[in-house]
Amino acid sequence: KNEVEQSPQNLTAQEGEFITINCSYSVGISALHWLQQHPGGGIVSLFMLSSGKKKHGRLIATINIQEKHSSLHITASHPRDSAVYICAVRSWEETSGSRLTFGEGTQLTVNP
Amino acid sequence: NAGVMQNPRHLVRRRGQEARLRCSPMKGHSHVYWYRQLPEEGLKFMVYLQKENIIDESGMPKERFSAEFPKEGPSILRIQQVVRGDSAAYFCASSHWRGGPYNEQFFGPGTRLTVL
Repeated sequence: KNEVEQSPQNLTAQEGEFITINCSYSVGISALHWLQQHPGGGIVSLFMLSSGKKKHGRLIATINIQEKHSSLHITASHPRDSAVYICAVRSWEETSGSRLTFGEGTQLTVNP
Repeated sequence: NAGVMQNPRHLVRRRGQEARLRCSPMKGHSHVYWYRQLPEEGLKFMVYLQKENIIDESGMPKERFSAEFPKEGPSILRIQQVVRGDSAAYFCASSHWRGGPYNEQFFGPGTRLTVL
């Protein structure tokens, strides 16, 4: 079992729909990241969370430390949101505490 | 304020050649991380460096791979005697410092290595 599990693996939506991507992890963490990767492109950091909720434009990220679960929401989705969304965690362990462990990613396609 | 820079963006090598990938961290960042993304796979940690020190190389293959982050200049990921299985996207990230939960990593655009 991976330390970081994302669901769904693939998601297709119509423009304007509300989208939720989930991330569960099995280790103690100091922070959780949501990243966006476009085809053939680089990686953009969307959020870094250690508790609660953050909002940026149409994107909202939440984390529940007790349940070891985070969600990324996209409101009023648009075709330009089509990308791979990746959840990554940083553990508490001293020896590995700086490196990120990644989920497999969620491929989101938003159709016009 | 320029972000994390990586070069080259694309690199083609024949089997047995050497590949050198460069990463210049964001201004003011002294911590560098290298990650690898194999085709159709997720990102995996390779190595974490500070200036002149390797802090965690637990994700580096035991042979042919090395990394450095000298006092002056970019961090270098070096792959000797490349094989087809080394074909991947290699991403560098940098951060301001290590400790605490608010130490965000910023990613470069990646170097896509193709081994013929």
